[in-house]
Amino acid sequence: EPEVTQTPSHQVTQMGQEVILRCVPISNHLYFYWYRQILGQKVEFLVSFYNNEISEKSEIFDDQFSVERPDGSNFTLKIRSTKLEDSAMYFCASSGDSNTGELFFGEGSRLTVL
Amino acid sequence: QKEVEQNSGPLSVPEGAIASLNCTYSDRGSQSFFWYRQYSGKSPELIMSIYSNGDKEDGRFTAQLNKASQYVSLLIRDSQPSDSATYLCAASYYGNNRLAFGKGNQVVVIP
Repeated sequence: EPEVTQTPSHQVTQMGQEVILRCVPISNHLYFYWYRQILGQKVEFLVSFYNNEISEKSEIFDDQFSVERPDGSNFTLKIRSTKLEDSAMYFCASSGDSNTGELFFGEGSRLTVL
Repeated sequence: QKEVEQNSGPLSVPEGAIASLNCTYSDRGSQSFFWYRQYSGKSPELIMSIYSNGDKEDGRFTAQLNKASQYVSLLIRDSQPSDSATYLCAASYYGNNRLAFGKGNQVVVIP
């Protein structure tokens, strides 16, 4: 069964360091997303990406965040200068349709900022 | 701004019973509603979607939507220990996969 894969599963970093989280969406999907979940809190939308550009972003997705699809298969989230409050589980998701709400989530990358 | 609220605490149900979960949303512009299941430490997984008022059944799951009252519910019939998880309610505008999630309701099915 096709699945979304994410690496790394867990990353520990020092405050101020750059982090890149990687995702391989399901191969025939066209819509890609990053969500995050701070421990014990809601899953929050960060950004959606379609046709090689950001289609929507939340207020959380400020200038320290960026996304790209460098090679047609990977979809990355970069956090330029991490803060303590960036510690969370980051979920990549993909969808074959923009309307259904049927997102296929990866298993997540847990980011711990010290 | 879409807000989705799930306010009840953990729900314990005996195996074979019905688990009932509720969710309210604040934005009347929301048109699509979803229930995702999240096992501890795992990613959300879609189990039900509903777009129109009324009931929608899929196996042991029934989703109910009432747009006038702005609530969505999920019934799990014949609950099994494998149903023990957190159930996330989510809403979006039609044509937009930007989901607003509730905090979730934890369900524990007791064998």
